Amino acid sequence: KQEVTQIPAALSVPEGENLVLNCSFTDSAIYNLQWFRQDPGKGLTSLLLIQSSQREQTSGRLNASLDKSSGRSTLYIAASQPGDSATYLCAVETSSNTGKLIFGQGTTLQVKP
Amino acid sequence: DTGVSQNPRHKITKRGQNVTFRCDPISEHNRLYWYRQTLGQGPEFLTYFQNEAQLEKSRLLSDRFSAERPKGSFSTLEIQRTEQGDSAMYLCASSLDGGRDTEAFFGQGTRLTVV
Repeated sequence: KQEVTQIPAALSVPEGENLVLNCSFTDSAIYNLQWFRQDPGKGLTSLLLIQSSQREQTSGRLNASLDKSSGRSTLYIAASQPGDSATYLCAVETSSNTGKLIFGQGTTLQVKP
Repeated sequence: DTGVSQNPRHKITKRGQNVTFRCDPISEHNRLYWYRQTLGQGPEFLTYFQNEAQLEKSRLLSDRFSAERPKGSFSTLEIQRTEQGDSAMYLCASSLDGGRDTEAFFGQGTRLTVV
């Protein structure tokens, strides 16, 4: 059974700092991995999708990497800003290509001005 | 707005009542998913549709839950005889069936509170 874990559960950093969020999964047979952002009481916004054959994806100040063999992904946020404060969720799609996502519990990030 | 739309955004109901939520996916998306999220946790998969066919249901989806997507467009999720443990955010997502690069797009969710 696929399990997704995110560490740490919460993180507080000063503005301008670079930071890394971690995601691990137990079964390396994944179809793709997706990172989402969730603001309090809101839905999920897709940030980056990494296919299983890819090593990384970049969008602006965000860079996501994937090491399928070790069951790990990281989300790197450069030059953090207070507006980056949110919960970040990673999710894996299992190899069945149903599009069903299995989520971690999220990392809640606070960027202090 | 061309994103995933969910209604209502909030619902407060008394225990034992029935509730129904609606999801309108992105128009060209043939896949539609329902997830449930409780406080401090990631979303958990409930069920998904490919066009009008319901292809998978989680064990979380008890007999009191039913979902439909009658014409392959919008979907409804009904909870009968609600319990306090049903209080959660119910999220709908849609995607294309198009291979490895198909992102899931989520709606804003329906927050259910059972009192």
